[in-house]
Amino acid sequence: LAKTTQPISMDSYEGQEVNITCSHNNIATNDYITWYQQFPSQGPRFIIQGYKTKVTNEVASLFIPADRKSSTLSLPRVSLSDTAVYYCLVGGRGRRALTFGSGTRLQVQP
Amino acid sequence: SAVISQKPSRDICQRGTSLTIQCQVDSQVTMMFWYRQQPGQSLTLIATANQGSEATYESGFVIDKFPISRPNLTFSTLTVSNMSPEDSSIYLCSVEMDRETQYFGPGTRLLVL
Repeated sequence: LAKTTQPISMDSYEGQEVNITCSHNNIATNDYITWYQQFPSQGPRFIIQGYKTKVTNEVASLFIPADRKSSTLSLPRVSLSDTAVYYCLVGGRGRRALTFGSGTRLQVQP
Repeated sequence: SAVISQKPSRDICQRGTSLTIQCQVDSQVTMMFWYRQQPGQSLTLIATANQGSEATYESGFVIDKFPISRPNLTFSTLTVSNMSPEDSSIYLCSVEMDRETQYFGPGTRLLVL
C-alpha cells in the first residue's frame, strides 16, 4: 500500500480557501486517491475521490498532477464547521480496506 | 449512502471482562470493517468481516482477542475480550458502498479501568 504524507496541522480563517497537499510517491497504477473528513466523536466521512486531473463536487475539489505522486484537497471559503481532521488515503480497488495515515488537523478561526 | 448505528455508544468496563459492540446497517452490504482509533490517533484496521465466512484479521489483531460475527448482510458484532486499559479506544465499523467508498458508524467509545 502506498504511504501518504500530509501536514500534521493547518490553520485558516473563515472565508479563506484551504489547500491540503498529500504526497504519495509510491502510488500504484490502479490506486485511487480518497479524502475523508473526521469531526471529534464521529466516524470519518467520505469527501472526494479521484484518479487523475481534477475532480469537483459540492464540498471540495481534488487536484492530481500528471505524475500522481501528490494530490491537493481544496476547500473553498471554509467556515468554522470545517474544523476537522482530513485524511488522504491511497488504495487500489482490489483492496477494499482502508489504510489511514496521520491526517491533517485543520483549525478554522473566526 | 448508508445509515450505520453502533451500540453501545460508550462504555466503561473493568479489566478482564469482555464487551460486545454491535453494528447495524440500514441496507445489505457485502463488506464490513472494524477499526480502532486510540485517543488522538488515526484509525487502524482490525479486521474485515464478510457474511458467511470467517473474518480476516490484520497483523497485530487475533481472533481470540477480537472475535467477530457477521450473521447477515446488515449486522456485525465485535467483541473485545479479556480487556485491559490498553484496549481503551474508539471502535468503529464501516461498510463499503458504491465506488468502493466507505461509510462509517459513529463509533463506540470504550474506557477500561
